[in-house]
Amino acid sequence: AQRVTQPEKLLSVFKGAPVELKCNYSYSGSPELFWYVQYSRQRLQLLLRHISRESIKGFTADLNKGETSFHLKKPFAQEEDSAMYYCALKEGAGGTSYGKLTFGQGTILTVHP
Amino acid sequence: DAGITQSPRHKVTETGTPVTLRCHQTENHRYMYWYRQDPGHGLRLIHYSYGVKDTDKGEVSDGYSVSRSKTEDFLLTLESATSSQTSVYFCAISGVGNTEAFFGQGTRLTVV
Repeated sequence: AQRVTQPEKLLSVFKGAPVELKCNYSYSGSPELFWYVQYSRQRLQLLLRHISRESIKGFTADLNKGETSFHLKKPFAQEEDSAMYYCALKEGAGGTSYGKLTFGQGTILTVHP
Repeated sequence: DAGITQSPRHKVTETGTPVTLRCHQTENHRYMYWYRQDPGHGLRLIHYSYGVKDTDKGEVSDGYSVSRSKTEDFLLTLESATSSQTSVYFCAISGVGNTEAFFGQGTRLTVV
């Protein structure tokens, strides 16, 4: 069965500092990886998906199949980045996953002024 | 924002009572999901639907049932609520193929 692990429950940085939120996964096939963000008491929103390889709000994430990781990075954190971040995995194409997502435990990022 | 609405947004209920949460979408997406969000566990899948009247269990389905009688509505029922079901419940929708999942605003359920 697939698993997603976010080792850091809490992460605090100062404004302007680099930030990296770690995500590791286990899955035997070819997965799709996502980062979702949840601002205070709001709905989850998609931040990044690995297949698009785009940068959103200055965040990037690279899928490393050798290390089975999908870490989220931003070179200069902003106060408005404070939120809960979830890494999620969807079974790859060809399977009958019906779009189901497996989430990590989440990391609360706090950016101090 | 995708057209997805959850009701109620907040509910307090007593142990042993039945509770039904509703998810309504206007996107005509085929797939619908119910997740629960708990500290230290992230989001866990309760049940999902891959079409009208087609549903299946997720990771934490015990004590929950679902129904989907039409494309736009997906109901989650707690047959006899327990304190361990106190949680925030999120509905999500997704289309066929490589599309993202869209989430509702959540329902905060407290079982006392």
